Amino acid sequence: GEDVEQSLFLSVREGDSSVINCTYTDSSSTYLYWYKQEPGAGLQLLTYIFSNMDMKQDQRLTVLLNKKDKHLSLRIADTQTGDSAIYFCAETRTGGFKTIFGAGTRLFVKA
Amino acid sequence: GAGVSQTPSNKVTEKGKYVELRCDPISGHTALYWYRQSLGQGPEFLIYFQGTGAADDSGLPNDRFFAVRPEGSVSTLKIQRTERGDSAVYLCASNEATGELFFGEGSRLTVL
Repeated sequence: GEDVEQSLFLSVREGDSSVINCTYTDSSSTYLYWYKQEPGAGLQLLTYIFSNMDMKQDQRLTVLLNKKDKHLSLRIADTQTGDSAIYFCAETRTGGFKTIFGAGTRLFVKA
Repeated sequence: GAGVSQTPSNKVTEKGKYVELRCDPISGHTALYWYRQSLGQGPEFLIYFQGTGAADDSGLPNDRFFAVRPEGSVSTLKIQRTERGDSAVYLCASNEATGELFFGEGSRLTVL
């Protein structure tokens, strides 16, 4: 995941917003994803954005894409203790099949 | 099946031994991927199959690692002469060629 970088930890209080940031290097990436991994479970897709979009909103989740700066962020509104997990930023390169993951951001939600 | 199934869920072996890890993808998914996840890291791409053929094996770390998918469904990842550095969770994922990856829960390999 050396081409996709994320901060390692984020701690927030329950009810606050969480913002997880990611930078990537391949300007030809077509899809950008956020996956969630809960303890002892496999990765699950949380949301994704096409590279020709700037923003996507899905209930409590907002994804922002700054293609010029190669910066992707995930905002979780009204964060709950059940949101505690590892969040992985990922990009699919041109060609459409190889998905590269960041090292993951561990979100801790304090009650 | 309902989801991607991986067996065994845990494998403990000794250095130098041979190991096989199995992945049963979602029915109808033509693409199958193997990733490796070390502690504190994100999934690292190993190999991708489209049907029976390995379309991209550029992530396999060396020639001790090999994967097959003979009938375009189940895949086996084979590791020869295991080393302690091979210890990791091996993840399998499948999809209909592009887009969202559907992951299994992984096979945790420990090499003593």
